[in-house]
Amino acid sequence: EIVLTQSPGTLSLSPGERATLSCRASQSVSSSYLAWYQQKPGQAPRLLIYGASSRATGIPDRFSGSGSGTDFTLTISRLEPEDFAVYYCQQYGSSHTFGQGTKLEIK
Amino acid sequence: EVQLVQSGAEVKKPGESLKISCKGSGYSFTSYWIGWVRQMPGKGLEWMGIIYPGDSDTRYSPSFQGQVTISADKSISTAYLQWSSLKASDTAMYYCARFNWGFDYWGQGTLVTVSS
Repeated sequence: EIVLTQSPGTLSLSPGERATLSCRASQSVSSSYLAWYQQKPGQAPRLLIYGASSRATGIPDRFSGSGSGTDFTLTISRLEPEDFAVYYCQQYGSSHTFGQGTKLEIK
Repeated sequence: EVQLVQSGAEVKKPGESLKISCKGSGYSFTSYWIGWVRQMPGKGLEWMGIIYPGDSDTRYSPSFQGQVTISADKSISTAYLQWSSLKASDTAMYYCARFNWGFDYWGQGTLVTVSS
């Protein structure tokens, strides 16, 4: 089973700043089958990025994904107040697994 | 409009059985995998398993194999998650989601509480 490790566990930033979230896999994720989700309290997760770098429908272009193999990154170029949430990565190249999440909080 | 509507919250006792549902609409239900995801209180997302309603092909996470059963009735566009004997540790929010190179549509979640 592929284990995904997200870092940092918590990221404290201010609106307007740039956020960089990391997701590292225990083995190579085939064909960059990696997705990112945002979850706010009391809500279901929302798909942001699939295929490591493709934005899902309706996702603002301040969200971008990159990476391949075992190292992936979600970047939020300029934080808006509504971006503070928990973010999860997920691989679907070999069965499915989720990372443990990164909490993005307001500094 | 694509929608996944889950059954309502449940309160059960340890040892009881339970089957929760997820009804899809607004798309071809038999053409997309449906996954189930557990979220324990204050914790992260855990992938439980996935089913292809077109032919009922089902895959399970090793952590959940033998603990739950995933099924689907394509005639009524509904997927199910069931337990034969609940434990207190099954207390969690359970989500269904459509898989389309990522889980692109999610149900609203079903809260299952298991307590004596």
